Amino acid sequence: LAKTTQPISMDSYEGQEVNITCSHNNIATNDYITWYQQFPSQGPRFIIQGYKTKVTNEVASLFIPADRKSSTLSLPRVSLSDTAVYYCLVYTNAGKSTFGDGTTLTVKP
Amino acid sequence: SAVISQKPSRDICQRGTSLTIQCQVDSQVTMMFWYRQQPGQSLTLIATANQGSEATYESGFVIDKFPISRPNLTFSTLTVSNMSPEDSSIYLCSVRTDREGEQYFGPGTRLTVT
Repeated sequence: LAKTTQPISMDSYEGQEVNITCSHNNIATNDYITWYQQFPSQGPRFIIQGYKTKVTNEVASLFIPADRKSSTLSLPRVSLSDTAVYYCLVYTNAGKSTFGDGTTLTVKP
Repeated sequence: SAVISQKPSRDICQRGTSLTIQCQVDSQVTMMFWYRQQPGQSLTLIATANQGSEATYESGFVIDKFPISRPNLTFSTLTVSNMSPEDSSIYLCSVRTDREGEQYFGPGTRLTVT
């Protein structure tokens, strides 16, 4: 299983773009990268998933370099409601996944 | 995507008793997972419960303590047996969609053992 490493915490201000990077040096060929958002007392919410290059949806972008040993979740123009814990997860479609410690993002007014 | 519901949403139980948590998915999925999350901590995988095979437990978790059923492609149960205060935690059901391979989580069951 690929181990993931993220910053423990990050601070930002409303309206700013936030980039959270996850390191996964031993990612396997068939592994996908997925990011989740979790608020207190709720289950993790799926944000975005990618395999390589760039993926964008209505809430975020995911940048994956060619070596795939890291990935960056980009949240455009954050608001106070984006304050949460963000997890990076790496897994194969047929395999189990293990969570790292996550990044606590605090958005300030 | 997949929509997951869990029952109960929370419970307070006495030590020595057992609680069965139900997980229902709105679509058929092969892969289901059960996680535990203690206060302020990340999620820990308890077991993988694929339909048609026995559940596979992670290190530190055993079937006698956490028996799992997976009777069909939309439902699973996790039982926390002979509970102690150390079992107080949030238990989360998760599924991986067959087609897109995306993993989704239920809202969790908050268990308090007194």
